[in-house]
Amino acid sequence: EPEVTQTPSHQVTQMGQEVILRCVPISNHLYFYWYRQILGQKVEFLVSFYNNEISEKSEIFDDQFSVERPDGSNFTLKIRSTKLEDSAMYFCASSERQGTSPLHFGNGTRLTVT
Amino acid sequence: DAKTTQPTSMDCAEGRAANLPCNHSTISGNEYVYWYRQIHSQGPQYIIHGLKNNETNEMASLIITEDRKSSTLILPHATLRDTAVYYCIVRLIQGGSEKLVFGKGTKLTVNP
Repeated sequence: EPEVTQTPSHQVTQMGQEVILRCVPISNHLYFYWYRQILGQKVEFLVSFYNNEISEKSEIFDDQFSVERPDGSNFTLKIRSTKLEDSAMYFCASSERQGTSPLHFGNGTRLTVT
Repeated sequence: DAKTTQPTSMDCAEGRAANLPCNHSTISGNEYVYWYRQIHSQGPQYIIHGLKNNETNEMASLIITEDRKSSTLILPHATLRDTAVYYCIVRLIQGGSEKLVFGKGTKLTVNP
């Protein structure tokens, strides 16, 4: 069964550094998402992306965050200057089409900011 | 914010049916009920969704009350691998591909 893949599985970075989290959505999917989950807390929506532009973003997704689909297969989340509070699991998701098509999630990247 | 209410935790014996309730009393006509689960910090896994009719797939059954104010996810023969946090999510469908809003879910523990 096709799946969403995320790399790396674990990223350690120093405060103030830039990080790029990478995702390969399911190949025929058109809608892409990033979520994060701080340890012990809820899964939180960050941003959705369709047709090469952001569809919706949450309050968490401030100017330090950006997303890009640099080619036909990858979907990336960049954090420009990481803070300690950015430490979390970051999940990428994709869905096939409009309407009720479910989101399919990758297994995440654990980001640790020291 | 999540529009659902779920018990914080439940236990189930291996091999028995697990029935996970969800209250969504403020659900509107174009909102669907979705169920996901998360096994130990892995990515959320889609289980099933429905609008008003009962639904069944290879993983589970979804029973939605006639007034749509509550639903039950049924895992017919729970195994130890079904131990996870189960999320009931009400999702508005307006023609785009709207986000999911996760609550705290129900921690299901399947016991041997």
